[in-house]
Amino acid sequence: QSALTQPASVSGSPGQSITISCTGTSSDVGVYNYVSWYQQHPGKAPKLMIYDVSNRPSGVSNRFSGSKSGNTASLTISGLQAEDEGDYYCSSYTTSSTLVFGGGTKLTVL
Amino acid sequence: QVQLVESGGGVVQPGRSLRLSCAAAGFTFSRYAMHWVRQAPGKGLEWVGAVSHDGSDKHYADSVKGRFTISRDNSKNTLYVQMNSLRAEDTAVYYCARDFEEYTYGEGFRYWGQGTLVTVSS
Repeated sequence: QSALTQPASVSGSPGQSITISCTGTSSDVGVYNYVSWYQQHPGKAPKLMIYDVSNRPSGVSNRFSGSKSGNTASLTISGLQAEDEGDYYCSSYTTSSTLVFGGGTKLTVL
Repeated sequence: QVQLVESGGGVVQPGRSLRLSCAAAGFTFSRYAMHWVRQAPGKGLEWVGAVSHDGSDKHYADSVKGRFTISRDNSKNTLYVQMNSLRAEDTAVYYCARDFEEYTYGEGFRYWGQGTLVTVSS
């Protein structure tokens, strides 16, 4: 049950686009479309931003989008806003019927 | 609206036990798989384990297998985790979370509680 691999940090200026990668294996990201992404602000519970690789729950801005290629999933945030700053985590279902998170990525809006 | 409220956290000595509860409201609890996720201070999220909608199927992270037991009481709309043989590395905020769709498992955590802090220390 190794954690998925995410970059420790990314940054961008307001209005720009950024992409956060999430690399797993053929036992998780590569075999299932059950990849989800979460945003977390300090002291708060995580918030679901993307599920099933590319679907947005109701209420989540369409500036957030997800995709997957092979063992790597990606979250793209377009038109960066100050409120997007925070920590982002990916998660995937695995062949062991468990779930695994990425190590998290700190997004800084410059 | 959907509410998940955890309780039972606190300070406990290494080797002792603790039981956390998660009271659910605003949805048909018995139709959803439920999960526990934890976050050590300053660290990332870690999936702890889950129970199917009817309690018949349970899965655990290797880090807690054999020490933690997840259960649910659908008549009380409550999720539990019994934590035995606690270690310092179990210190974390523990969140309960609901699976995304009815009768599915692993799609994502649509709703989260506010978390309850467990501190394992002598």
